[in-house]
Amino acid sequence: AQTVTQSQPEMSVQEAETVTLSCTYDTSENNYYLFWYKQPPSRQMILVIRQEAYKQQNATENRFSVNFQKAAKSFSLKISDSQLGDTAMYFCAFMRGQAGTALIFGKGTTLSVSS
Amino acid sequence: DTAVSQTPKYLVTQMGNDKSIKCEQNLGHDTMYWYKQDSKKFLKIMFSYNNKELIINETVPNRFSPKSPDKAHLNLHINSLELGDSAVYFCASSLKLGQAYEQYFGPGTRLTVT
Repeated sequence: AQTVTQSQPEMSVQEAETVTLSCTYDTSENNYYLFWYKQPPSRQMILVIRQEAYKQQNATENRFSVNFQKAAKSFSLKISDSQLGDTAMYFCAFMRGQAGTALIFGKGTTLSVSS
Repeated sequence: DTAVSQTPKYLVTQMGNDKSIKCEQNLGHDTMYWYKQDSKKFLKIMFSYNNKELIINETVPNRFSPKSPDKAHLNLHINSLELGDSAVYFCASSLKLGQAYEQYFGPGTRLTVT
């Protein structure tokens, strides 16, 4: 069975600084996807970034980038130039590479950005 | 235009009642899901449907019954509600695009059982 672990329940950062959220996962699959979702106080689940396991290049979406270490089964999220609107709970999620399979979520990291 | 919508957004009801939550997506996706987020914010899959066929049915009490009348709709019916059913229920949908399977979530339904 696959598991996803987020070891940082809470983190805080000042505006304009950079912060890294950690995620590790366990799987015996070779074809899978990893995601970071953001859940602000509005509770909407927003997809931040996606990484295909077969791609060696780390995914980047504007201020968000990942450090994907496949051998170490690590998938961290780096947020650059943090903004107040980045305040949210962040979930790391794993999904097998098969249509219709479920997302397996970590327990989340609450990120607070202050001015 | 809302991509994945759920109704209602809030639902307060008493123990023992039966209630339904509706989900609709206008993205043309072929797979839909129900997730439950508990009081500790932990998200877990309950069900998924692909082209109206049930493909994931996690260990969920049989008081919960999903129904998919067509590819764009997936409803969740809950019988004999219990206090422990209080949670946020999210509907999601996805489409296979090459090798990508991104899931898009609805706004969630906060269910409170008193």
